[in-house]
Amino acid sequence: DTGVSQDPRHKITKRGQNVTFRCDPISEHNRLYWYRQTLGQGPEFLTYFQNEAQLEKSRLLSDRFSAERPKGSFSTLEIQRTEQGDSAMYLCASSTRTGAAYEQYFGPGTRLTVT
Amino acid sequence: GQQLNQSPQSMFIQEGEDVSMNCTSSSIFNTWLWYKQDPGEGPVLLIALYKAGELTSNGRLTAQFGITRKDSFLNISASIPSDVGIYFCAGRKGGSEKLVFGKGTKLTVNP
Repeated sequence: DTGVSQDPRHKITKRGQNVTFRCDPISEHNRLYWYRQTLGQGPEFLTYFQNEAQLEKSRLLSDRFSAERPKGSFSTLEIQRTEQGDSAMYLCASSTRTGAAYEQYFGPGTRLTVT
Repeated sequence: GQQLNQSPQSMFIQEGEDVSMNCTSSSIFNTWLWYKQDPGEGPVLLIALYKAGELTSNGRLTAQFGITRKDSFLNISASIPSDVGIYFCAGRKGGSEKLVFGKGTKLTVNP
């Protein structure tokens, strides 16, 4: 088990373009989380899935943001019509909320730069 | 969005020294967590605390869940160069999966 993986690790895009990020959680982790982290700040919660159900969403997740987890395994986060303010590190985490994986384990993140 | 108040913002210490940092909130949390983040990587969980007054150790790291449930402390003893990084506290309220993070304490250890 190699941990949470995220793809791509870096993305540079022009303002107005759409981007999609992928997160593969640790196998058998049924809970998956997305956070956003800007420079000098701690991660901020965006949304949470239990299996394929999206159960919690932050007000930070504007209409331009959408997250899916169609089969309860990997998840995608799409940002439409990107703005410069979207530049940040997008972190994914997973957990089972049982046993050794009770808490959230984070992936390496996808760094987005909007020019 | 809401963030926890973490202090100090940065620390510069000599190898072998002990380190203390803390995290406070105006509201109560049911769980306190401490993470460490290296540049360009995601946060790594160090210690989790679930009960007011709880004191938990992980090697040279010791953390405490404040009695008021509005604060937490992390101590690192006998620091070494690989302790360099940014340390984040995070809290979780009952009934929510959302973690609320502080802004981090950046630790520099001089050999």
